[in-house]
Amino acid sequence: QKEVEQDPGPLSVPEGAIVSLNCTYSNSAFQYFMWYRQYSRKGPELLMYTYSSGNKEDGRFTAQVDKSSKYISLFIRDSQPSDSATYLCAMSSALGYQKVTFGTGTKLQVIP
Amino acid sequence: NAGVTQTPKFRVLKTGQSMTLLCAQDMNHEYMYWYRQDPGMGLRLIHYSVGEGTTAKGEVPDGYNVSRLKKQNFLLGLESAAPSQTSVYFCASRPLTSGRAKSTDTQYFGPGTRLTVL
Repeated sequence: QKEVEQDPGPLSVPEGAIVSLNCTYSNSAFQYFMWYRQYSRKGPELLMYTYSSGNKEDGRFTAQVDKSSKYISLFIRDSQPSDSATYLCAMSSALGYQKVTFGTGTKLQVIP
Repeated sequence: NAGVTQTPKFRVLKTGQSMTLLCAQDMNHEYMYWYRQDPGMGLRLIHYSVGEGTTAKGEVPDGYNVSRLKKQNFLLGLESAAPSQTSVYFCASRPLTSGRAKSTDTQYFGPGTRLTVL
């Protein structure tokens, strides 16, 4: 069993829809949770960063962490065609150089 | 400020050939990483470095070597390429952490190198 599970999709939604992307994990030591966005043939770029449980909002994006269920989510409101990308969840147990464990990514397509 | 750059962008090798991938960062970051990304496997850590002159093995180090002679550069070497090393390789860097969690303490990725081994 992988430490981090993420549905690969693809997920196709119409422009303006609310998108929900999710990851589950098994390592209870994870405390730092990240979402990266990766456009085709590009490197991942950090989108959201959350420490421990709770919600974090940044514009149209909301990240949620439920440590009791070992479940994290990324919500995208009013989705745009420019949001079409692969979204990777990532998590680690500590600060510093320690290993970051990535999900396999969910491919999202927003149809105009 | 170019961030993290990788050279080359694309490369095709024959089995048994060797090559070096270069990663450079201009953000004065202490930590640097090499990942490979394969379909259905996600990003897997090959090697990493916590500072100039230091390297350590990651999750999938076999068949690769690394060196960090200068703080800004992290080299990934393939001594004898195999078809199983066909992948997209990403370099990343991150700064020393302040002890308080903040978004700037995360990894910054380069654009990737697409390697095909025939």
